[in-house]
Amino acid sequence: EPEVTQTPSHQVTQMGQEVILRCVPISNHLYFYWYRQILGQKVEFLVSFYNNEISEKSEIFDDQFSVERPDGSNFTLKIRSTKLEDSAMYFCASSEGSTGYTFGSGTRLTVV
Amino acid sequence: RKEVEQDPGPFNVPEGATVAFNCTYSNSASQSFFWYRQDCRKEPKLLMSVYSSGNEDGRFTAQLNRASQYISLLIRDSKLSDSATYLCVKEDDYKLSFGAGTTVTVRA
Repeated sequence: EPEVTQTPSHQVTQMGQEVILRCVPISNHLYFYWYRQILGQKVEFLVSFYNNEISEKSEIFDDQFSVERPDGSNFTLKIRSTKLEDSAMYFCASSEGSTGYTFGSGTRLTVV
Repeated sequence: RKEVEQDPGPFNVPEGATVAFNCTYSNSASQSFFWYRQDCRKEPKLLMSVYSSGNEDGRFTAQLNRASQYISLLIRDSKLSDSATYLCVKEDDYKLSFGAGTTVTVRA
């Protein structure tokens, strides 16, 4: 079964450092997403990406966040200057359309 | 008001029991609804879509009540492997909104 691949599985970074989380969506999917889940809280939408541009972003997705599809396969989330409150599980997802979302296994980001 | 609200539980049931729980949503225009399952610190996995007519997938039955804006999930003949957090999810314009989850623990 096709899957969404995320790397690394766990990243520890110092406050103020930049991090890049990487995702390889399912190859024939057209829509890409980032969600995050702070420990003990619900999964929250960050951003959706279609046709090489952001289609929607949440209030969480401020100027410190950016997304990119640098080549035909990768989809990245960059956090420019990490804060302690950015510590969370970050899930990448992809879909063909408005249904059939597949989530990656996540990157656990710990900011110290 | 939260977009999706769920009873957090936990629901602690013996093997073989039936367990049911609901969630409510705030946007009456929302069209697509799902139940996802999440195991501890893992990614959400689609359990089933939810339709107004009600739908069944093996031991799982989901129902959508648009008039009252709630969704339900019923699990029959619970197995130990059903222990998980069940997430009520709605989709609007390619954006999923998740409830905080209902925890179910099935004991032997």
